[in-house]
Amino acid sequence: NAGVMQNPRHLVRRRGQEARLRCSPMKGHSHVYWYRQLPEEGLKFMVYLQKENIIDESGMPKERFSAEFPKEGPSILRIQQVVRGDSAAYFCASSPPRQNYYEQYFGPGTRLTVT
Amino acid sequence: AQSVSQHNHHVILSEAASLELGCNYSYGGTVNLFWYVQYPGQHLQLLLKYFSGDPLVKGIKGFEAEFIKSKFSFNLRKPSVQWSDTAEYFCAVNPLISSGSARQLTFGSGTQLTVLP
Repeated sequence: NAGVMQNPRHLVRRRGQEARLRCSPMKGHSHVYWYRQLPEEGLKFMVYLQKENIIDESGMPKERFSAEFPKEGPSILRIQQVVRGDSAAYFCASSPPRQNYYEQYFGPGTRLTVT
Repeated sequence: AQSVSQHNHHVILSEAASLELGCNYSYGGTVNLFWYVQYPGQHLQLLLKYFSGDPLVKGIKGFEAEFIKSKFSFNLRKPSVQWSDTAEYFCAVNPLISSGSARQLTFGSGTQLTVLP
């Protein structure tokens, strides 16, 4: 029973390039969350998605960031025209649709480095 | 908006010492409370959770936490730490409200625990 999968684990991008981070939730989970962890800080909520729907994007920066969770395939967090300040660890979590839906299970994270 | 404070950024203990990590949150309503642990090089794992009922909750690996509503606190404890407990510990809060944001977790900044052998 695989846990939450994220890839790549490490991603290096030059300033101005695009970064695509992927997240496959646990089997049977239909809710996905993205969090960002800056150095020396805790995780900060970015966005909450269900299949084909963005439920809450109150933590997403207004520009350059977008997220999707298509009917088929993983959830994608996309960062366009990356800047040095985007360097961080990006964690995905998933939760089941009903019982215990408050419990979020985290993936290993993608560490983005912008050079 | 709710916030979570973890006052100890780095705690160093010797093996067999007792541990208490503080966590305070600011939110006036009902909350779910969590402690997560991140071992070196690994992903976040759920240590324990509080939803309702007995305010003293027991988690994995001998950890427990006590919810004190009047103090808005959810401190993590372990009577005797081991070298393998070296990790970063995060407290998180999820408010019980009906809107979509009810799902998001608000995390504290974390406490790095180092246990010396």
